[in-house]
Order: sequence, then C-alpha cells, then structure tokens
Amino acid sequence: GAVVSQHPSRVICKSGTSVKIECRSLDFQATTMFWYRQFPKKSLMLMATSNEGSKATYEQGVEKDKFLINHASLTLSTLTVTSAHPEDSSFYICSVHRGSGNTIYFGEGSWLTVV
Amino acid sequence: LAKTTQPISMDSYEGQEVNITCSHNNIATNDYITWYQQFPSQGPRFIIQGYKTKVTNEVASLFIPADRKSSTLSLPRVSLSDTAVYYCLVGDMSRARTYKYIFGTGTRLKVLA
Repeated sequence: GAVVSQHPSRVICKSGTSVKIECRSLDFQATTMFWYRQFPKKSLMLMATSNEGSKATYEQGVEKDKFLINHASLTLSTLTVTSAHPEDSSFYICSVHRGSGNTIYFGEGSWLTVV
Repeated sequence: LAKTTQPISMDSYEGQEVNITCSHNNIATNDYITWYQQFPSQGPRFIIQGYKTKVTNEVASLFIPADRKSSTLSLPRVSLSDTAVYYCLVGDMSRARTYKYIFGTGTRLKVLA
C-alpha cells in the first residue's frame, strides 16, 4: 500500500490563529488528494477535493476562505485552518489517489484542538 | 453517487468469523467496492477491494453477488485487535479528479474475549 504522511499529528492553537496541516504522498505522485474531517464517533466527512495545479473543489457547507487547500505539487497538499475557533477542533484526514487504479490511501490523521 | 448502508454496530467473540454487509443499491457499472478499517485516532486502512464475485487476501474475503447491489466483508477468526470501525466505499476511482468519495456510517465491530 501507499504511504501517506500527515504532519503534525496533533496541534493545539489559540482561537483566532491559523494552523497548517501537511499531507505528503511518499510512494507515488498523487494527482488528486482529498481532505476529510471527522468528529468523535462519527464518520468521515469529505471537505474538499484537491487536484494538483488547480483550485480545490469544496463540498457544500465548507467555507473555502476558512479552510485553505493548496496542492502545489504532486506529493504535497496542505490544509490551512484560518482564524481558528473551538468548533474547528476535529480530526482531519487526507487521502491520495495516484491517478490510476481504483484505490485511495489515507494519512494517519491530524488532531486539531483550538483553545 | 452511490450511497452505502451498513449496520451501525456488531459484536463478536474471539475466534469467530464476522460478516459485515454493505448495501449499495445504486452502484454504477464502473464502480469498485473497497473496504477500510479504522482504529481510533488513525486514518482508515485499506483492507480489500473488488468488482464482482469473490476476492480474498491475507486478512479478509469480499463477496459480491451478481447484481452488485451489496457486498459482504468476511473476517475469519477475529481477535480483540480487530475491534474497529469498518467502512465500505463505492466509487469509480479512475475518475478520482471529479468523483466524490462519500463515507457512510461504517460498522463499529467490537470483539469480545
């Protein structure tokens, strides 16, 4: 399977600040990356689809100005939570697709706590 | 957009075979069925994938009937470490750039000693 690395695995930030989460595809070049959000004991909720070199496509209800996604290279996508609030506290997970085949692989996830 | 339905939770005992069924009535011709396992505070881990009939690997089997409107993940002789949430995901991943991979509720499996 593919290796997908997320960093940081846990981060605590103050309300009003911004925090960046990185997602790296270590095994292959990922043409498409996905960002999910997950609350405790709930399923994963798709936030946005990120294609290399183009703007991310956000799901309905996800604020694109608050959750900035950058997919600048075929191995790196970043999610920046801007002006974070306590309600943004959640588990964020990225996944990658290599551009062929039928499998997407997930990162380890990143816990964000906003205090 | 193929929606999936799974039982919310299941209990089993160590050493038993566990079968988890996922319904996907509006699966499309090019869709594949993929199962993932998720432990708390970790990202989902790929278990198995199939298109039709039966697929088996070192950890599980996947049974898909001819109409493909459902699939069953079979875990042989489960152990306590198999306690996790299991998700089935249906999609045409060759169209990853435009396809939305929506997770259902998943099945929370609890293995008892």
